[in-house]
Amino acid sequence: SAVISQKPSRDICQRGTSLTIQCQVDSQVTMMFWYRQQPGQSLTLIATANQGSEATYESGFVIDKFPISRPNLTFSTLTVSNMSPEDSSIYLCSVESRSSDTQYFGPGTRLTVL
Amino acid sequence: KNQVEQSPQSLIILEGKNCTLQCNYTVSPFSNLRWYKQDTGRGPVSLTIMTFSENTKSNGRYTATLDADTKQSSLHITASQLSDSASYICVVSARDSSYKLIFGSGTRLLVRP
Repeated sequence: SAVISQKPSRDICQRGTSLTIQCQVDSQVTMMFWYRQQPGQSLTLIATANQGSEATYESGFVIDKFPISRPNLTFSTLTVSNMSPEDSSIYLCSVESRSSDTQYFGPGTRLTVL
Repeated sequence: KNQVEQSPQSLIILEGKNCTLQCNYTVSPFSNLRWYKQDTGRGPVSLTIMTFSENTKSNGRYTATLDADTKQSSLHITASQLSDSASYICVVSARDSSYKLIFGSGTRLLVRP
């Protein structure tokens, strides 16, 4: 299994500011993903973080709002830009394991925007 | 449209009792079905994963079933414990894009002493 850590675990931010969330995996993985989980809801895929190229965004999510970096096979960042209260959510990083054919999730970053 | 529906939305049971959570899906072509447990404030943790040819899989007190003909799955929890209080999410992946998961909305289980 993969061990995933995220920083920060939680933050409270002011409207209009930006927050960068870090995701670190203990092994090299090909596929890394960023999800959002709004209060009381299930997970929604934001984008696939591609190593060495631009992230692939899902419908409704754009690079200007959620820029993603993937400098190597064990690390990725997600930035939530120009935040509004509607961005208050849990943001989760996950990786796909081909050997076990499942996705492992990080502990999440709980973001509150005032 | 690919969808995963879960029932009930929430459930309260007494410690030591058994319960069964339901999942219906309309994902095609089907690749696999996963059950995840998500504790409050944590990321989801995989409980079971089943492919088309598997109709039951156990992980300790958790037993998942899959009926690929009716496109239904269930998660049975035996002898519930307080630590079972969590959200249980049914997730299905499609064969043409196995890393893109379709999530159910989850069942929130509360186990009371």
